[in-house]
Amino acid sequence: GEDVEQSLFLSVREGDSSVINCTYTDSSSTYLYWYKQEPGAGLQLLTYIFSNMDMKQDQRLTVLLNKKDKHLSLRIADTQTGDSAIYFCAESSLYGNKLVFGAGTILRVKS
Amino acid sequence: GAVVSQHPSWVICKSGTSVKIECRSLDFQATTMFWYRQFPKQSLMLMATSNEGSKATYEQGVEKDKFLINHASLTLSTLTVTSAHPEDSSFYICSASARFSPISGNTIYFGEGSWLTVV
Repeated sequence: GEDVEQSLFLSVREGDSSVINCTYTDSSSTYLYWYKQEPGAGLQLLTYIFSNMDMKQDQRLTVLLNKKDKHLSLRIADTQTGDSAIYFCAESSLYGNKLVFGAGTILRVKS
Repeated sequence: GAVVSQHPSWVICKSGTSVKIECRSLDFQATTMFWYRQFPKQSLMLMATSNEGSKATYEQGVEKDKFLINHASLTLSTLTVTSAHPEDSSFYICSASARFSPISGNTIYFGEGSWLTVV
């Protein structure tokens, strides 16, 4: 079945770049998403990438997709303390809207 | 952007009672809504998928008689936890998507989540 894996924890200093990695197994994954969850809150969609793209940039966020290796990464430039949260990688196939989530990566930003 | 609202944000109920959580899409018609459950410090687990006007499709291991899902309109889905027990205490999150379009994408919007505590 589908599986999405992420590293569990990342700690960076304020102002540095953060890179959160994700791997997935479903070769039919068409959309790959990054969500942010702050403590006690719902999910905020940060960005998503279509599988025929290898990069997408949106302000401080850069998503890289290596479809051959089924590897997705999220780079946050100039990381701020407000970026501290859990980041979830998720994927869905073309034929359904069901999302399969990774376990989430806790990002801690030290000032 | 699209907004999905859940209500209540948090609820405490007695063991054995039932509690209903609502999920509304405020500015778009949601043909499909999803209900997820999240335990502390864990990822989201899909419970069921509901399409407007039809029965929900439950994931393996989710009791359909315990977690009743109704998607009566294109803007509202409800999750009713029947005969709640303390182990049902969790964070429940809904998400909604509009009609899928290969051109515009497959964006799914999440509600703010509902904390359920069963005492």
